[in-house]
Amino acid sequence: LAKTTQPISMDSYEGQEVNITCSHNNIATNDYITWYQQFPSQGPRFIIQGYKTKVTNEVASLFIPADRKSSTLSLPRVSLSDTAVYYCLVGEGGSQGNLIFGKGTKLSVKP
Amino acid sequence: DTEVTQTPKHLVMGMTNKKSLKCEQHMGHRAMYWYKQKAKKPPELMFVYSYEKLSINESVPSRFSPECPNSSLLNLHLHALQPEDSALYLCASSHGRRSEAFFGQGTRLTVV
Repeated sequence: LAKTTQPISMDSYEGQEVNITCSHNNIATNDYITWYQQFPSQGPRFIIQGYKTKVTNEVASLFIPADRKSSTLSLPRVSLSDTAVYYCLVGEGGSQGNLIFGKGTKLSVKP
Repeated sequence: DTEVTQTPKHLVMGMTNKKSLKCEQHMGHRAMYWYKQKAKKPPELMFVYSYEKLSINESVPSRFSPECPNSSLLNLHLHALQPEDSALYLCASSHGRRSEAFFGQGTRLTVV
């Protein structure tokens, strides 16, 4: 399984764009990159998933360079409610059991 | 229905008790997972069921015993737990490869 490395914590202010980068040097050809958000005492919640280039949905964008050894989650105009832990996962997912969580990034958004 | 429902939400049990955690989903997902999460730590994978068969056991002590009675239900039977087993236990399900996983809200377990 590809190991992921993320910053332990990040601080931001309301209204700013936040970019969280994840390193996954050993990513395999079949692996996808998935990001989850978790609030205290709640289960993680899916944010976005991608394989290469750029993926965008209503809450975030995911940028993946050509070598796929890293990825960047971009949260536009964060609010206080975006304060959470963000996890980057790499794997095939599903029945392959590759939903392995790394240490995550604690994002703190300040007013 | 995109929910994974876990019961109970909170559980306090003694070290000699036997209890069960339950997880239910009606999304037709064929992969189901149990995780254990300690405070300020990431979720730690315990078990994976695929098509109602145990496919991954991450070297979990035998005092934790999973069961998948059917494609919608996942149980975690607990027996002779230790205080260090106190944690948030999360259940998740997913459709298959490369699909997003849906997590329940967890059961907060305290072993006394």
